[in-house]
Amino acid sequence: DGGITQSPKYLFRKEGQNVTLSCEQNLNHDAMYWYRQDPGQGLRLIYYSQIVNDFQKGDIAEGYSVSREKKESFPLTVTSAQKNPTAFYLCASSILGAGPGELFFGEGSRLTVL
Amino acid sequence: GQQVMQIPQYQHVQEGEDFTTYCNSSTTLSNIQWYKQRPGGHPVFLIQLVKSGEVKKQKRLTFQFGEAKKNSSLHITATQTTDVGTYFCAGPKTGANNLFFGTGTRLTVIP
Repeated sequence: DGGITQSPKYLFRKEGQNVTLSCEQNLNHDAMYWYRQDPGQGLRLIYYSQIVNDFQKGDIAEGYSVSREKKESFPLTVTSAQKNPTAFYLCASSILGAGPGELFFGEGSRLTVL
Repeated sequence: GQQVMQIPQYQHVQEGEDFTTYCNSSTTLSNIQWYKQRPGGHPVFLIQLVKSGEVKKQKRLTFQFGEAKKNSSLHITATQTTDVGTYFCAGPKTGANNLFFGTGTRLTVIP
């Protein structure tokens, strides 16, 4: 089955702790993305990557970090510098074309900071 | 900065009634995509429109891209409870190879 797998589905963290969210895809897509969704709101882009070992900041990158060491994997670290990290995090991937193509989303990771 | 607004933010309809959500961009878009997110789920791609004035249909769903390529609409005829969810439009972010999502319209269908 081709798709995107995010883990964990639910995560609780104490203030001051870093946490890493996993995102793996077997769609052979070049581009991968991390979005944040707050209750009742739209999706805001955190980081995206179009090629291995390269990534770009999105609209709300502060307090987050990513890596892209393999085409299939794009983990997101929520650092202690992120002031309001409680949110629903969505990873997505797409074919890389002349413009952003159809996004395939994972099931999401819901992070709660206690 | 670039903005994509959707109206209404919320819509409650009786099952069988029609529903329309409107998407308005502050900039001209080369294309527009629509996604549906069921409650507790993740966004799922519905369609992409590219041409000015384009209209596409998927069963009871009709999508339209404005002539000026700055607005779009999604119309659902005779809603069903399976239509419940939040509908997002998304367009290419200016100067970047990624999507900028609208604020979404949350649809509730009352049986």
